Amino acid sequence: GEEVAQTPKHLVRGEGQKAKLYCAPIKGHSYVFWYQQVLKNEFKFLISFQNENVFDETGMPKERFSAKCLPNSPCSLEIQATKLEDSAVYFCASSHTGTGKGSNQPQHFGDGTRLSIL
Amino acid sequence: DAKTTQPNSMESNEEEPVHLPCNHSTISGTDYIHWYRQLPSQGPEYVIHGLTSNVNNRMASLAIAEDRKSSTLILHRATLRDAAVYYCILRPTGANSKLTFGKGITLSVRP
Repeated sequence: GEEVAQTPKHLVRGEGQKAKLYCAPIKGHSYVFWYQQVLKNEFKFLISFQNENVFDETGMPKERFSAKCLPNSPCSLEIQATKLEDSAVYFCASSHTGTGKGSNQPQHFGDGTRLSIL
Repeated sequence: DAKTTQPNSMESNEEEPVHLPCNHSTISGTDYIHWYRQLPSQGPEYVIHGLTSNVNNRMASLAIAEDRKSSTLILHRATLRDAAVYYCILRPTGANSKLTFGKGITLSVRP
């Protein structure tokens, strides 16, 4: 598709339950990124993929968060044993492979999944 | 990651030009200057990016200081739809480098 598609738009879970978010990147884009926006203007990078391989997971809380990008499937971000502090909007972005060394391709964002932990 | 400094907010009038400043005194030689914006209830949207030279596209212009320690995003004629949070981001070279968002500048547009 021409847009990054994130599902669901809203997800409500009780504390301790599992939450799973999905992202379909733009067709032909090799890179996928996940970000968390907790307060209005504060973004936190979580993880990035090059195709199905993890590229950078320095932002991932390793204990409860996991992510995958498998061939022919939407990418997913899963949170086990959710906590109140996981309430946030989670954004997925994708970008094209650039040509040449040092290319700096824009990231295209979805509209996010709003996760509410009660 | 190198940091950027932006004012918290700015107001403009519809159909007038808007200049959004950004300071990045610790920029390295391989950092690109990116601008994204986030409209209410939407994901961030790419606006423009540059390395050393000024850049123009259909959305905006980017003016980069000669020493690259500051830049200005220019919206030539603000519309109500341009009301958003604008983020100035330094991004290390490389297609897969993450974006490190600061707090951004909230632009309000008066009719």
